[in-house]
Amino acid sequence: DGGITQSPKYLFRKEGQNVTLSCEQNLNHDAMYWYRQDPGQGLRLIYYSQIVNDFQKGDIAEGYSVSREKKESFPLTVTSAQKNPTAFYLCASVSLSYGYTFGSGTRLTVV
Amino acid sequence: QQQVKQSPQSLIVQKGGISIINCAYENTAFDYFPWYQQFPGKGPALLIAIRPDVSEKKEGRFTISFNKSAKQFSLHIMDSQPGDSATYFCAASMRLTGANNLFFGTGTRLTVIP
Repeated sequence: DGGITQSPKYLFRKEGQNVTLSCEQNLNHDAMYWYRQDPGQGLRLIYYSQIVNDFQKGDIAEGYSVSREKKESFPLTVTSAQKNPTAFYLCASVSLSYGYTFGSGTRLTVV
Repeated sequence: QQQVKQSPQSLIVQKGGISIINCAYENTAFDYFPWYQQFPGKGPALLIAIRPDVSEKKEGRFTISFNKSAKQFSLHIMDSQPGDSATYFCAASMRLTGANNLFFGTGTRLTVIP
């Protein structure tokens, strides 16, 4: 996956439960992004971080939270406030020179 | 508001045919237009990209045509193969300004029939 790893590949969440999706990169890229993918809606931006200890909300940030304590890591927490979390989540590591490198994604299902 | 509009939503092509996917944008500040290919259960991967100072870029069977005045660009897949069956996304960004954010189209699911 070009140096970016998402885990787990599949995740099941019970109603009212918070879950955390992992994203790790060894590409030495400063910027990292989280997207949500639903059928027919393309990729929608949740959060992004251009630098350690700083991040910004994307178009659909409600019900999600992130942290960026290390350059290599950008975990996404799906909180109980996210009412429709079932989706495919994609993390990307980004550099101006090489563009976007996506992970293989995490498929989250509410049970 | 969708910054990049993509069509068609799905496309079925016979093996050996030409697949054409179209995208349009409004923001004239966009200066980088990549196409991504995504197979089921995988993340998108960069396929080919173009800057607005050229009208066409070709890599193997894949060609981007770019019309700056019409604010449109398209992906042509020549001699389409069953292995090309995937979802394709166009995108746009303002790389020269240092902005990383990519604005994606809604995707086209391509099926190539043997």
